[in-house]
Amino acid sequence: GAGVSQTPSNKVTEKGKYVELRCDPISGHTALYWYRQSLGQGPEFLIYFQGTGAADDSGLPNDRFFAVRPEGSVSTLKIQRTERGDSAVYLCASSSNPGQYEQYFGPGTRLTVT
Amino acid sequence: DAKTTQPNSMESNEEEPVHLPCNHSTISGTDYIHWYRQLPSQGPEYVIHGLTSNVNNRMASLAIAEDRKSSTLILHRATLRDAAVYYCILRDGAQGAQKLVFGQGTRLTINP
Repeated sequence: GAGVSQTPSNKVTEKGKYVELRCDPISGHTALYWYRQSLGQGPEFLIYFQGTGAADDSGLPNDRFFAVRPEGSVSTLKIQRTERGDSAVYLCASSSNPGQYEQYFGPGTRLTVT
Repeated sequence: DAKTTQPNSMESNEEEPVHLPCNHSTISGTDYIHWYRQLPSQGPEYVIHGLTSNVNNRMASLAIAEDRKSSTLILHRATLRDAAVYYCILRDGAQGAQKLVFGQGTRLTINP
């Protein structure tokens, strides 16, 4: 079946601009996670949704970062006033229920801020 | 989340077994040991997990020390497609769905 998809696959933006990154989880998965991965590092947790609500947003680095999941399916990660340090691969993952041990990851969106 | 320690890199030959170690000396009684791997230009993928007993699945085996302070991921017969970064992660089973806390992982190179 279809896995987690993320769009766009690549995004280049200028410093100071606003960007939106989209994640389509596996159909029926209630839990959705966002991570970001800088070059040479492991993924770093940003935020976790259970249904429509953010259950844990402790990884969001500052208030320029915001994520929504209005209907409990697709999620959008929004970054305002982008900075060069925001350049990274942004990964989305989903799981079928809160206790499921396996998270399914998408291919990521590579964001480059120039 | 409890910390894990893995070698930065390892190298092996195709069709030979690979043993990837992980130390987690501060593991708690409710921590599950998870392994994920990340192939080049892809998102991480789940490999295996366990609590106390050794585990086997189609991808790998997980050997857990009796004191649970270390574990080893075993690839029985490595192929070139197994070249990836392997992450050993502890996840508290008592807290339900939780974020994954990735370290640096072990970069596995497979020689033909």
